[in-house]
Amino acid sequence: GENVEQHPSTLSVQEGDSAVIKCTYSDSASNYFPWYKQELGKRPQLIIDIRSNVGEKKDQRIAVTLNKTAKHFSLHITETQPEDSAVYFCAPDAMDSSYKLIFGSGTRLLVRP
Amino acid sequence: GAVVSQHPSWVICKSGTSVKIECRSLDFQATTMFWYRQFPKQSLMLMATSNEGSKATYEQGVEKDKFLINHASLTLSTLTVTSAHPEDSSFYICSALDSSSYNSPLHFGNGTRLTVT
Repeated sequence: GENVEQHPSTLSVQEGDSAVIKCTYSDSASNYFPWYKQELGKRPQLIIDIRSNVGEKKDQRIAVTLNKTAKHFSLHITETQPEDSAVYFCAPDAMDSSYKLIFGSGTRLLVRP
Repeated sequence: GAVVSQHPSWVICKSGTSVKIECRSLDFQATTMFWYRQFPKQSLMLMATSNEGSKATYEQGVEKDKFLINHASLTLSTLTVTSAHPEDSSFYICSALDSSSYNSPLHFGNGTRLTVT
């Protein structure tokens, strides 16, 4: 089955700085690579996703990069704001286009004002 | 945008009783839905894949006789926690796949917080 590792587990940055979270996965058949943001007691919210035929995708302050050869993808948040504070999960799908997401262990991001 | 309704949002039940959680896609048909469980300060763990009209596929270590899944229509999947015990207390979340949408086809419900006393 798919093994997913996410690093770091916690990340504290100063407001305005950048944050990078990395996710490694094991299944070479994975084709869909989303990142979710979850606030306490709420459902995970999709913030950005990428597919295996694309190497990078950007949406305003958020970007995702994918290295399919090395089996890892990363979340980049620039100009961080206090409202970015939350837990972030990577969740690659377990097999080609199954959308059966296997969640990483999560990264608790704290943006200090 | 696509909406998934999950009900109830929270429930408290006594040990030994059963609890049913509903996951409903409101404006799209979902042939596939997924059920997750999340303990405090932990990640979402996939419990099972629910397919309309067929038996659910359970992940390793998840008891299919304890967590009954029924996906009887294209818009509704239910998870029944049978003979609940305090260790079943958790946050249960469903997601529904909108296969007609290529961009961001997965939609999560708001979750159900189950407390077993």
